[in-house]
Amino acid sequence: GEDVEQSLFLSVREGDSSVINCTYTDSSSTYLYWYKQEPGAGLQLLTYIFSNMDMKQDQRLTVLLNKKDKHLSLRIADTQTGDSAIYFCAESMMDSSYKLIFGSGTRLLVRP
Amino acid sequence: GAVVSQHPSRVICKSGTSVKIECRSLDFQATTMFWYRQFPKQSLMLMATSNEGSKATYEQGVEKDKFLINHASLTLSTLTVTSAHPEDSSFYICSAGLAGGTGELFFGEGSRLTVL
Repeated sequence: GEDVEQSLFLSVREGDSSVINCTYTDSSSTYLYWYKQEPGAGLQLLTYIFSNMDMKQDQRLTVLLNKKDKHLSLRIADTQTGDSAIYFCAESMMDSSYKLIFGSGTRLLVRP
Repeated sequence: GAVVSQHPSRVICKSGTSVKIECRSLDFQATTMFWYRQFPKQSLMLMATSNEGSKATYEQGVEKDKFLINHASLTLSTLTVTSAHPEDSSFYICSAGLAGGTGELFFGEGSRLTVL
């Protein structure tokens, strides 16, 4: 079945790097995504990676994909207080166009 | 990027009434839109897939008679919560994808429903 898991909480100091981890079970995933949700708001797409890639970098964000272990991570360099939010990883299935399965979300708290 | 707009952003209604939430793709056409529900401090749960010009596909456990979905045009999908009860209070989020795109979904801002 489809299952995406994340740790629930991460606290880092401002200026440090944050690493948010995600594991998934379905090996037929096509794309894997990271979304950010601020309190009371919708979701903002941060970045995504195609399943045949193992790394993608976009400014302060680095996504690493270990397809063998079905492990996805998001690294935020030089974490700022404005990065405090809930981060969701999600996978889309090759057989269902755009249908996303979300993880439970990781709440990132950035301490001054 | 593409913009998806939801309306209303907040709605409070009395128990037993029906509430309609709109989801619009503002600068692109979306043959498929998705409706999610999010309980406080929880993840998003996919409720249904809304297909333009045809019936919505509901996920297991979602009552189709309770959550009516209409996708009348390529830019508009509506979710109607019928005979709302306090347990329907939640944050409802829609999303839409670009046809032929990367699979990237664009999300609305969400609609917070409170049923008294």
